[in-house]
Amino acid sequence: GAGVSQSPSNKVTEKGKDVELRCDPISGHTALYWYRQSLGQGLEFLIYFQGNSAPDKSGLPSDRFSAERTGGSVSTLTIQRTQQEDSAVYLCASSLAPSRHEKLFFGSGTQLSVL
Amino acid sequence: SQELEQSPQSLIVQEGKNLTINCTSSKTLYGLYWYKQKYGEGLIFLMMLQKGGEEKSHEKITAKLDEKKQQSSLHITASQPSHAGIYLCGADGGTGTASKLTFGTGTRLQVTL
Repeated sequence: GAGVSQSPSNKVTEKGKDVELRCDPISGHTALYWYRQSLGQGLEFLIYFQGNSAPDKSGLPSDRFSAERTGGSVSTLTIQRTQQEDSAVYLCASSLAPSRHEKLFFGSGTQLSVL
Repeated sequence: SQELEQSPQSLIVQEGKNLTINCTSSKTLYGLYWYKQKYGEGLIFLMMLQKGGEEKSHEKITAKLDEKKQQSSLHITASQPSHAGIYLCGADGGTGTASKLTFGTGTRLQVTL
């Protein structure tokens, strides 16, 4: 596609429910990243995929968070038993390769609100 | 872990004025990225600096990397309303890849008419 696409753009859920956030990277980009942006916290790294594998998932805050990527393309970030502190904007990015010479292209994010 | 501190946290300038945003790292900078974010949008890549002393310009925005000071600066000349937004610096922490960037908390820029 023309850019990184994320859906939904907004998600309101009740505490304790599970949510799935989707990311469609730019076609041909092998590297995919999930970041979280909270008020006053800045942008935090969550997980990174190279192809379908995740060499670095050190940023996932708890075992309620998981992510997968299939076909080297679409990725889904799942949050189980959501808590209010999970409320944030979840940003996905992709790059041709995980090299520092490759810039990251970000999607518009999913605004998650947990009531 | 690496931390990036941006200053100022927010800035209001009159259209036509110049401004500078700084990003200081707690550790050695190997690669420094500048992004801009507008409300409801993702991050837009501005510039990437990889070598000490490197300076890049795009339109009215210039970024420099001072390796010794572990600092980068972003300078906007003759600011316009279109420059308004949140400016974020990011660094790769020496991993050799851009797989895990650490970002500063951002500088919010408003440009008044």
